Order: sequence, then structure tokens, then C-alpha cells
Amino acid sequence: GAGVSQSPRYKVAKRGQDVALRCDPISGHVSLFWYQQALGQGPEFLTYFQNEAQLDKSGLPSDRFFAERPEGSVSTLKIQRTQQEDSAVYLCASSPGQGLKAEAFFGQGTRLTVV
Amino acid sequence: GDSVTQMEGPVTLSEEAFLTINCTYTATGYPSLFWYVQYPGEGLQLLLKATKADDKGSNKGFEATYRKETTSFHLEKGSVQVSDSAVYFCALPTPPGGYNKLIFGAGTRLAVHP
Repeated sequence: GAGVSQSPRYKVAKRGQDVALRCDPISGHVSLFWYQQALGQGPEFLTYFQNEAQLDKSGLPSDRFFAERPEGSVSTLKIQRTQQEDSAVYLCASSPGQGLKAEAFFGQGTRLTVV
Repeated sequence: GDSVTQMEGPVTLSEEAFLTINCTYTATGYPSLFWYVQYPGEGLQLLLKATKADDKGSNKGFEATYRKETTSFHLEKGSVQVSDSAVYFCALPTPPGGYNKLIFGAGTRLAVHP
């Protein structure tokens, strides 16, 4: 497909379990962003990659959150020892230019529920 | 720090009614301003944007004017349709000069009924 693809679409994790969320950006897009969207709220920034370099991780809420994009394409957001407050929709976006100089395209998100 | 405040929803309108969704912002400098829309079951989509003061962004019958004097970017549509039912988010990029992240408002849910 031509859009940003995220998998899985839904994930239920037991508290304390580790999870990995995948993002396939639009081919050739330089920039990749992760956001967290709690129920009834707007998305909140987590981290930003330019190619394989993680240039901004200021939004990651704790050291349990880790993101990587080793080859400058697919990205994985990992959450260790999940807690109930991690329940949210995790959105990935990609952009063809540096940062937000061009439009960012969002995936449908992964809904994580921690029980 | 930079922030965006949107009017709370939900907003419920009849088809062909006039729509206004208020958005005000606090920012360092004069960033671009965006409206995103999230249709049921879909990802966020850019609806329109304005890059400087007094600019008017428009798309699909929606308009918003960048008002520096009132720090506002209200979304308007003259005649809404059932297909406009969605959640609308106002957003601005930060930090100035870097523009690596978007700050979003809390979103306003619009429901249009026939």
C-alpha cells in the first residue's frame, strides 16, 4: 500500500509484559514520528527520527519506552514492563522531508490495552 | 511552553448548518498552524494549514484564518455534510526553527445528522 502501515492494529498485554509495535513508513520518507494518544485526548509527541538517527526522544515518558529505526525505514516502538497507564493508541507518521517541512502522513495506529 | 486550546465537543449539527470550531494557541514566534481530521477508523489526515499571519488555509469547503492579533485559527465551514462527521484537531509545530514535533489540541468531535 501507499500509506503508513502499523501493526498490530490491536494489542492486549498483561501488566508487566513487553510489547513491540511496528511502523512501516511511506517508502523513501526521511522523517518518522511516534505519538501517543490517550482516550479522548490529542496525540502527544514521543520521538522523531531522521533516517536512522533518533534526533529527538524528549517525549518518551520513561526509560521503559524505546524506539529504533536501524536502517532508516521500518521503526519499532518497544515498551518494557507495560503498565496500565501505557494503554493508548500509538500513532506513527512519516514525512518526505526533514522534520515537518513537508506534510506528515499518519498511520491508523496501534491500540494498546494493558490489563 | 507552546500550547493549543480547542473548544470542547462534541458538536452536533444538522446537515447544511454552519460550523465553527475554535482554536487558540500560545507559541514562541510565528509557527505554521494546522487542522487535522480523523475520520472513524482512519488515521489523522492534514485538512488545511496556514504558514503565516493573515494566511487563510482552505480545503474541502473548510477554511481557517491565521489571526496573530487574537492568536487564533478557528475552523469554519458554511454547510456541513454527514460525511464531515469526524474528530478535528488543531496543531502547531515546535520548536521554532526545528519543527520536529506537532503539539495537538484535545480534539473536537463533530457529529452531523441528516
